[in-house]
Amino acid sequence: EDQVTQSPEALRLQEGESSSLNCSYTVSGLRGLFWYRQDPGKGPEFLFTLYSAGEEKEKERLKATLTKKESFLHITAPKPEDSATYLCAVLSGGSYIPTFGRGTSLIVHP
Amino acid sequence: GAVVSQHPSWVICKSGTSVKIECRSLDFQATTMFWYRQFPKQSLMLMATSNEGSKATYEQGVEKDKFLINHASLTLSTLTVTSAHPEDSSFYICSASPESYNEQFFGPGTRLTVL
Repeated sequence: EDQVTQSPEALRLQEGESSSLNCSYTVSGLRGLFWYRQDPGKGPEFLFTLYSAGEEKEKERLKATLTKKESFLHITAPKPEDSATYLCAVLSGGSYIPTFGRGTSLIVHP
Repeated sequence: GAVVSQHPSWVICKSGTSVKIECRSLDFQATTMFWYRQFPKQSLMLMATSNEGSKATYEQGVEKDKFLINHASLTLSTLTVTSAHPEDSSFYICSASPESYNEQFFGPGTRLTVL
């Protein structure tokens, strides 16, 4: 059974204070690892897909990286508008249903 | 691209009534759509997989007679909460993937409140 564990559960940062969110996973045959951003009262917004170890993707202040066991979402010089819950999900084997982690709630104080 | 819409965005109803939520893929066709439920400060809980032209596949513990799913076309799936009760109050979100995509794209969600 696929497992996804995100840490920390919650993270408070000062504006400009860079940090990383972790997503550890256990799957049989990774087909893709996904990062989403979810604002309160809204559906998740797709950010990145990573397929293989060593792959990196960037978007504005966010950079996602992938190893064989975990993924990191690095946030560089965050701003208050980066405050949200960040969800990680994995897709494995022949399944078309991803397994989601519980998310990391990020609050960036001005 | 890959835009998914939901309607309504919120609904308040009386206990015992039924509520229908629509999920549409706006710029792609979706053979399969997914329905999730999310409680406050919790992650997504998959309720069912909606398949165009066939019966939905429900996750364990989800009552299929309570949550009716109809996937009538390649761009529309509906979730009907029948005889709603206060414990059905929740945030319902649908998602879909364009063909050959691994990623799911989510709708904006529907907040259901049952009085």
